[in-house]
Amino acid sequence: GENVEQHPSTLSVQEGDSAVIKCTYSDSASNYFPWYKQELGKRPQLIIDIRSNVGEKKDQRIAVTLNKTAKHFSLHITETQPEDSAVYFCAATFYSSASKIIFGSGTRLSIRP
Amino acid sequence: GAVVSQHPSWVICKSGTSVKIECRSLDFQATTMFWYRQFPKQSLMLMATSNEGSKATYEQGVEKDKFLINHASLTLSTLTVTSAHPEDSSFYICSATGRTSGFASTDTQYFGPGTRLTVL
Repeated sequence: GENVEQHPSTLSVQEGDSAVIKCTYSDSASNYFPWYKQELGKRPQLIIDIRSNVGEKKDQRIAVTLNKTAKHFSLHITETQPEDSAVYFCAATFYSSASKIIFGSGTRLSIRP
Repeated sequence: GAVVSQHPSWVICKSGTSVKIECRSLDFQATTMFWYRQFPKQSLMLMATSNEGSKATYEQGVEKDKFLINHASLTLSTLTVTSAHPEDSSFYICSATGRTSGFASTDTQYFGPGTRLTVL
């Protein structure tokens, strides 16, 4: 079936430390993997994405890695800051009757001062 | 660019009434729009996918007669919750993908600000 699993559900890190969130997907045909940040009551915001022809992508303090063989991808946030506190969702595209994005269950990231 | 709006931002209605939510792409043509529902502290659950001019494709478990979706133009999709009940209270979010020179890819989804529905 179409499934994206995300771990951990909650994550608390000291300010300045790194945070890692991991996801797995079920369909080997998936080829687009976006990550979203959502603050309470607001829309999800795309923070980084990666395609299956790339193993890693970096944008300042945020990086994403993809292992197609294992159907696994991860978000890495370095030098965490208080404003990084939010819920993060991984997602993956699935192609059945139409192209669609399925979300993981979310990770609530808290940055301790 | 790639701005998606939703209206209303919140709505309170009585049980048994119908509510219409609009989703608009403001500066691009949305070839595909998606409707999600998000309950408190949960993930976004895809309800349906709609392409302009064709019938929506509903996800398993989503009642198409209860959640009516219309995508009549390349900039507007509507979701009507018919005979709403308290269990339909949720945060409804739309997203859109486009096919213009400003888009990195047709997979990239841009989200509306969401509509909070409360059914009394």
